[in-house]
Amino acid sequence: EDKVVQSPLSLVVHEGDTVTLNCSYEVTNFRSLLWYKQEKKAPTFLFMLTSSGIEKKSGRLSSILDKKELFSILNITATQTGDSAVYLCAVEDGRSGGGADGLTFGKGTHLIIQP
Amino acid sequence: GAGVSQTPSNKVTEKGKYVELRCDPISGHTALYWYRQSLGQGPEFLIYFQGTGAADDSGLPNDRFFAVRPEGSVSTLKIQRTERGDSAVYLCASSKIAGALGELFFGEGSRLTVL
Repeated sequence: EDKVVQSPLSLVVHEGDTVTLNCSYEVTNFRSLLWYKQEKKAPTFLFMLTSSGIEKKSGRLSSILDKKELFSILNITATQTGDSAVYLCAVEDGRSGGGADGLTFGKGTHLIIQP
Repeated sequence: GAGVSQTPSNKVTEKGKYVELRCDPISGHTALYWYRQSLGQGPEFLIYFQGTGAADDSGLPNDRFFAVRPEGSVSTLKIQRTERGDSAVYLCASSKIAGALGELFFGEGSRLTVL
């Protein structure tokens, strides 16, 4: 059974701080790892990672994957109050192909940025 | 439509009742997914449609849950004899290409409360 573990489960920091969110996984046939931001209800896509060691970057957010150690990190620099959200990590298992089984999500990291 | 639309946004029902939750995916998206998210948890996969057919329904918890997508667009998730444990946010997501989970777009969800 595929498994995704995120840490920490919650984190409170001050505006301007840098945060690192962790995601470790176990998957039968790894295809991709995805990060989502969930502010209220709908998760919104951040990154998809398929190869080790290649950093994906979008503004103040960046992410990297280590397929040997089976983990990924999401970094947010110069945090702002608008970064407050639940950050979800998910893995795609390619054993069935074609998107079957969907994604396996972790519980998420609840990030709160205090002004 | 511009995004994935789900109705109702909130549904309160009594134990034992029947409910239907509707999802209208982004126009042209062939793949449609249903997820369930309980408080403090990540989304949990329920069922995946490719066109009109359910390509994978392995995530449906039991036979009280059923979903259809008769014309390959709008999907309805049906829950019979609801139980208090069914209370959750039911998220629908769609993607243009089956298997392109990095391009998964989520709706705002339907919050179901079973009293």
